[in-house]
Amino acid sequence: EPEVTQTPSHQVTQMGQEVILRCVPISNHLYFYWYRQILGQKVEFLVSFYNNEISEKSEIFDDQFSVERPDGSNFTLKIRSTKLEDSAMYFCASRTGTGAYEQYFGPGTRLTVT
Amino acid sequence: AQSVAQPEDQVNVAEGNPLTVKCTYSVSGNPYLFWYVQYPNRGLQFLLKYITGDNLVKGSYGFEAEFNKSQTSFHLKKPSALVSDSALYFCAVRMDSSYKLIFGSGTRLLVRP
Repeated sequence: EPEVTQTPSHQVTQMGQEVILRCVPISNHLYFYWYRQILGQKVEFLVSFYNNEISEKSEIFDDQFSVERPDGSNFTLKIRSTKLEDSAMYFCASRTGTGAYEQYFGPGTRLTVT
Repeated sequence: AQSVAQPEDQVNVAEGNPLTVKCTYSVSGNPYLFWYVQYPNRGLQFLLKYITGDNLVKGSYGFEAEFNKSQTSFHLKKPSALVSDSALYFCAVRMDSSYKLIFGSGTRLLVRP
């Protein structure tokens, strides 16, 4: 069964550094998402992406964040200058087209900012 | 603002007994409702959804959920729990005007042998 994959599984970085989290969505999916979960808190929506542009973003998704689909398979989340409070589990998700409602999630990347 | 509540942090049930994990939501308009399960070191796995139609929806691994519009609830149920059902369960809602899922805080299900 096709799965969403994410790399790396764990990323440790120093405050102020740039990080790129990578995702490979399911191949025939058209909508892509990033969510995050700070330890002990709810899963929070960050951004959705469709047709090579952001379709919706949350207040969390400020100028420090960007997303890109550099080729036909990868979907990336970049944090330009990490802060301690960016430490969280980051989940990528994807879904097919119109009429399909469920999102399929990857295993997550644990980001630790020191 | 849209929100989802899972009032129980943990549910304990004996294997073979029925289980219920509760979820209530607060939205304006018609919601799309989902249940996801998370096993240790794994992502969120889709279990089932309610979009429209029959209030009782069936999903993976013998789980089902009942949509109750008047009570704004979408409780997850299973007639006979298995030890392997022990995991973290998340309820989520999405509005048709939005792309995002709004999650509850999660309920840990512990099924004892």
